[in-house]
Amino acid sequence: AQSVTQLDSQVPVFEEAPVELRCNYSSSVSVYLFWYVQYPNQGLQLLLKYLSGSTLVKGINGFEAEFNKSQTSFHLRKPSVHISDTAEYFCAVGSGGSEKLVFGKGTKLTVNP
Amino acid sequence: AAGVIQSPRHLIKEKRETATLKCYPIPRHDTVYWYQQGPGQDPQFLISFYEKMQSDKGSIPDRFSAQQFSDYHSELNMSSLELGDSALYFCASSLQIWRYNEQFFGPGTRLTVL
Repeated sequence: AQSVTQLDSQVPVFEEAPVELRCNYSSSVSVYLFWYVQYPNQGLQLLLKYLSGSTLVKGINGFEAEFNKSQTSFHLRKPSVHISDTAEYFCAVGSGGSEKLVFGKGTKLTVNP
Repeated sequence: AAGVIQSPRHLIKEKRETATLKCYPIPRHDTVYWYQQGPGQDPQFLISFYEKMQSDKGSIPDRFSAQQFSDYHSELNMSSLELGDSALYFCASSLQIWRYNEQFFGPGTRLTVL
């Protein structure tokens, strides 16, 4: 069975500071990893995904994530955050075929002026 | 580009009533997934369909049923609604010829049970 652990439930940062949101996963098979962002009262928007190949993945809005197989991690980073990045971020793991996505509990990122 | 469409976007029901949520996948997508996100919770998988057949089942209550129709749209039927069913219900779609299951999410239906 697959599982995802997001180590921080809330992350407050100041505007223009760097941020890292941590995600660890467990799976007995090859996985595909995703980060989704959810703004208040809205749906899930895909930020980036790791399928194969380069372990450094770049996504939208200046976010990037690094897949580390030995540490089973897929941490999300942004070098300089904006107020508009305030949202909840979900890490998710899936596998091939019609497998469901398993989500982490989410990390609420709050960017303060 | 066309996205996943869900209707209605908001629904208010009384306890013990029934509700039907609809999902229209991205054109040519053959797989539909339903997720439930309770207040302050992560999305939880309910059920999925591939080519009109149930492909996987998660923590879906027996009071709920779902199906996928010949045009690939899907409906989630919820009966004997309880207060705890109040949640955001997401539908996602994907295309199974891909080797990975990138799922595209709809905007969700917010169900409030009073």
